[in-house]
Amino acid sequence: QVQLQQGGAGLLKPSETLSLTCVVYGGSFSDFYWNWIRQPPGKELEWIAEINHSGRSNYKTSLKSRVTISKDTSKRQFSLRLTSVTAADTAVYYCARGHDGGFDMWGQGTMVTVSS
Amino acid sequence: SYELTQPPSVSVSPGQTARITCSGDALPQQYAYWYQQKPGQAPVLVIYKDTERPSGIPERFSGSSSGTTVTLTISAVQAEDEADYFCQSADSSDTYVFGTGTKVTVL
Repeated sequence: QVQLQQGGAGLLKPSETLSLTCVVYGGSFSDFYWNWIRQPPGKELEWIAEINHSGRSNYKTSLKSRVTISKDTSKRQFSLRLTSVTAADTAVYYCARGHDGGFDMWGQGTMVTVSS
Repeated sequence: SYELTQPPSVSVSPGQTARITCSGDALPQQYAYWYQQKPGQAPVLVIYKDTERPSGIPERFSGSSSGTTVTLTISAVQAEDEADYFCQSADSSDTYVFGTGTKVTVL
C-alpha cells in the first residue's frame, strides 16, 4: 500500500520561503518521478515540478526562477522550496507520484496561506 | 501557454450518461488523463493514456479521443459520482498541464 505523507508550514508572510516535504511509504522510490502540484482555492490544478531517483528535475517554466525540488532517497522523501512567496502562491499543495505521464498516487494536501 | 479547455459544468440525472470534454491543440500527439476530485480531497486518477482505467475504478468510467478533443464518459451515473473532474496532458516542453475543470452535478 503506497502512501504519500506531506509535512510543512501552512502560514507564511509575503517574501518568505515555502518548504514542504513528502515521505513515500511502501512501493518503489526509484522507479517513478515525484511531483508537486498545487491548487488555489476554487481553481484548477497547477503542476509545479518533478524529480526522479537520479535527481533529474523539471519545472513549470513560469515558476522555475523561484522553485527547487530535491530528494533524499535514503529517507524516501522529496521536498519543495518556493522562494519569495506572495498571496498568489496561496493554495493547497499536493505531492504526487508520476507514472506513465499521469499522477497515480497523491498526498493528502497541505493548505498554504500567504498573508501579512 | 498551452491550455486544456473543459465545460464548467455538466448536470445529469442518476442512471443517465455524463460526457465531459477536454480540448487542446496537442491532444492528437499527447495522452490525456482524467481525475476525479471530491470536496476537501486529493484528486483520484480515473483514466490514463486516453482510454485505460486504473484498477479499482468502476467500469462505468471510460475515456475516448478524437483529434483535439478527449472525452470522459460516466455511464449509469450514481450520486457518488458528483465531483469535479480535471483532464491533464503534457505540452511540447515535457511539462504538464491540467484542464479548467468540470463540476458534475447529479440531479
